[in-house]
Amino acid sequence: QVQLVESGGGVVQPGGSLRLSCAASGSSFSTYGMHWVRQAPGKGLEWVAYIRNDGSSQYYVDSVKGRFTLSRDNSKNTLHLQMRSLRAEDTAVYYCVKGKRDYSNYVFEYWGQGTLVTVSS
Amino acid sequence: DIQMTQSPSSLSASVGDRVTIACRAGQRISTYLNWYQQKQGEAPKLLIYGASNLQSGVPSRFIGSGSGTDFTLSISSLQPDDFATYYCQHSYSAPLTFGGGTKVQIK
Repeated sequence: QVQLVESGGGVVQPGGSLRLSCAASGSSFSTYGMHWVRQAPGKGLEWVAYIRNDGSSQYYVDSVKGRFTLSRDNSKNTLHLQMRSLRAEDTAVYYCVKGKRDYSNYVFEYWGQGTLVTVSS
Repeated sequence: DIQMTQSPSSLSASVGDRVTIACRAGQRISTYLNWYQQKQGEAPKLLIYGASNLQSGVPSRFIGSGSGTDFTLSISSLQPDDFATYYCQHSYSAPLTFGGGTKVQIK
């Protein structure tokens, strides 16, 4: 079973930047796709971004396109989400999520504990 | 984008009850439908994938069914540990979207 640990959350002013990281335990990190899913306070779940196992492709929800960049370092078992031009509506708990490699990487198999991002002046 | 609509948004039930939650997709998605459970203050947990496949370690009282646009999650006999919020999610293509959630509360 994979363990995912997010870091990098915090308070940032509107228009600011933040970089989230996710450290994955275990081997085989380079064999599965990874996602970020967020949840605004008291709200439902929203998929944010996906990156293929080899980092060759990324997909984003429209609301973050051009502002967020997802990358991965398979040599260090880490995932990064660079967030720029942050807005109040980006305030949420951000979860790092592993795709279910043996069925579909678009199924969210394992979740980290989440890191809170607060965009406020 | 594929819109996912869950109903009801909340329900009250007693231990031992059979509970059913519905999820409708805005277009046909075959069986690319998954269910998650989220307890207060915790990360979501995968219950069902591919509409009806039980994730390893999940109790067999959780049953998923459906295909096309209409899906259901049933809990055959509600247990105290099952009081939580449940979300459906399609895995047909990006962007991936969730239903609004169904909160299962104690009656």
